[in-house]
Amino acid sequence: EAGVVQSPRYKIIEKKQPVAFWCNPISGHNTLYWYRQNLGQGPELLIRYENEEAVDDSQLPKDRFSAERLKGVDSTLKIQPAELGDSAVYLCASSLDRRTGGEAFFGQGTRLTVV
Amino acid sequence: DAKTTQPPSMDCAEGRAANLPCNHSTISGNEYVYWYRQIHSQGPQYIIHGLKNNETNEMASLIITEDRKSSTLILPHATLRDTAVYYCIVYTDKLIFGTGTRLQVFP
Repeated sequence: EAGVVQSPRYKIIEKKQPVAFWCNPISGHNTLYWYRQNLGQGPELLIRYENEEAVDDSQLPKDRFSAERLKGVDSTLKIQPAELGDSAVYLCASSLDRRTGGEAFFGQGTRLTVV
Repeated sequence: DAKTTQPPSMDCAEGRAANLPCNHSTISGNEYVYWYRQIHSQGPQYIIHGLKNNETNEMASLIITEDRKSSTLILPHATLRDTAVYYCIVYTDKLIFGTGTRLQVFP
């Protein structure tokens, strides 16, 4: 069974440019998460979806970050415009549902470098 | 903020047991303890979780103290591939990662 698929794996952009990350969760998983991981730190939750509804976006910097989960399956995280401090690894994860949210499956992440 | 405290790094000889401690003194009665690990350049991987009782699976064992204020993840026979950052998480309705323990397994 395919795991959580993310693309691209790497992205280098200039500051002030837009960037988007894509995530395909495990089939049948209703809960989807986006995390950001800075170097040497643990992942930090940005947003959580239950199906197509964002139920926790308290840590998402809404001035420049946006996310969507069309039809409750794939998800896209966008940054516009990107800043130097956005350089990090962006991880997507999914779980069967909120009840089993502790057992999340993570993708390999997208490493973003803003220059 | 993470509700757990872990040592920043540990070493373990290959073939020996790796015992990774975690303190979670403010854990509530209905909160589970979860362990994940993250191998370099990969996403975190679920290992095991528990509430009160000790748990064992094909990857590891989890020992939780009777007062639930601390736990230990045990890798019974560490291999080089177990070199990773190990995260102990007190789970409510979201996974909040701390900085974890960097385990280095050496030959």
